[in-house]
Amino acid sequence: DAKTTQPTSMDCAEGRAANLPCNHSTISGNEYVYWYRQIHSQGPQYIIHGLKNNETNEMASLIITEDRKSSTLILPHATLRDTAVYYCIVAGTYKYIFGTGTRLKVLA
Amino acid sequence: DVKVTQSSRYLVKRTGEKVFLECVQDMDHENMFWYRQDPGLGLRLIYFSYDVKMKEKGDIPEGYSVSREKKERFSLILESASTNQTSMYLCASAPDRLGLKQPQHFGDGTRLSIL
Repeated sequence: DAKTTQPTSMDCAEGRAANLPCNHSTISGNEYVYWYRQIHSQGPQYIIHGLKNNETNEMASLIITEDRKSSTLILPHATLRDTAVYYCIVAGTYKYIFGTGTRLKVLA
Repeated sequence: DVKVTQSSRYLVKRTGEKVFLECVQDMDHENMFWYRQDPGLGLRLIYFSYDVKMKEKGDIPEGYSVSREKKERFSLILESASTNQTSMYLCASAPDRLGLKQPQHFGDGTRLSIL
């Protein structure tokens, strides 16, 4: 499975959009991009996933570049409760490889 | 919503004890997984199961075994607990065997301390 690269940390003002980037330059054609977040002392929470097309759900939007080598998770109106570690995972099988993620801090 | 329930949030055991961690999911998922999470190492897959009574080793199976007697329940067993097994243990389930089209859903974890 492909590896991912994410910034270690980011800050975002409350109410603004949070854009979290992820590089996955070695992604294969059948591998999906998944995003999870983990709030302290809880299990990872599924956010969104996609293969080629951009996706949107009630939590977030996922933008995948045309070459699929990178993606961006967008939280449209960040709140203090969105403060968490965000993981970008590329997987073609059951085997998720969690990196160290991006620690997002939403500031009041 | 998918519900994955782990029997204990916190557990303290002694070296050499046999430890059972239980996980139950309510969505009739075929696949269930056990991970451990350690600072700086991320989540690592211990075992997974794609059907009742079926199991496969993950990346770090040594010192662990699993049991899946019923579809909804997946147990992780530490045969003889050691201090290096102190960790956060996370259970997950997913409907799709290859995990391609549907995501894994995680429980809230069991923080296990071995003294």
